Amino acid sequence: EVQLLQSGGGLAQPGGSLRLSCAASGFTFSTYGMNWVRQAPGKGLQWVSAIGGGDGRTFYEDSVKGRFTISSDNSKNTLFLQMNSLRAEDTAIYYCAKEMSNGRPFDSWGQGTLVTVSS
Amino acid sequence: ETVLTQSPATLSLSPGERATLSCRASQSISNSLAWYQQKPGQAPRLLIYDASNRATGIPARFSGSGSGTDFTLTISSLEPEDFAFYYCQQRSDWWTFGQGTKVEVK
Repeated sequence: EVQLLQSGGGLAQPGGSLRLSCAASGFTFSTYGMNWVRQAPGKGLQWVSAIGGGDGRTFYEDSVKGRFTISSDNSKNTLFLQMNSLRAEDTAIYYCAKEMSNGRPFDSWGQGTLVTVSS
Repeated sequence: ETVLTQSPATLSLSPGERATLSCRASQSISNSLAWYQQKPGQAPRLLIYDASNRATGIPARFSGSGSGTDFTLTISSLEPEDFAFYYCQQRSDWWTFGQGTKVEVK
């Protein structure tokens, strides 16, 4: 059974940093594309970042480019999102999500973790 | 960037009724469209991929259709557990989601 268990998140000040983790099990982690998707309070879903399975190429939504970094540790089957220079508008629930295969929709999701950016 | 526009924003129906949700893309995306269901406090769940293929474990009352720019998610007979938010998603360039449709009890 595929499981994605998220940790990290919490409260950060504007300009601060946070690191999110997503521990994967039940599949060959290194061969699947992985993503981060966020949802601001009362709003819809917004894709944030992706890392390709196999090649490790990374991709970002424009508003987080240069501030967020997606990475993975294949030895620990864990996905990360390092978030720097946080802004109030980054406040959201962040989900990690696994692609069905590279470039395909997301067939498994983490439970979500709340990030609040406020002074 | 391909923009997805969902309609209606809210659909008020009774259990047993048929629900028809629309998703329109700003440019052709072939059949590269997925549908997700999200209930309050839960992560989204994949329902449909490639416009018309049901994901694993999804009941047959959910069906998807369309190609190019116009897509439809149909729930043939609403069950109580189907009242939720529904999002479409495309990947012609990068991943984008529609703004969502809320299916609520009338």
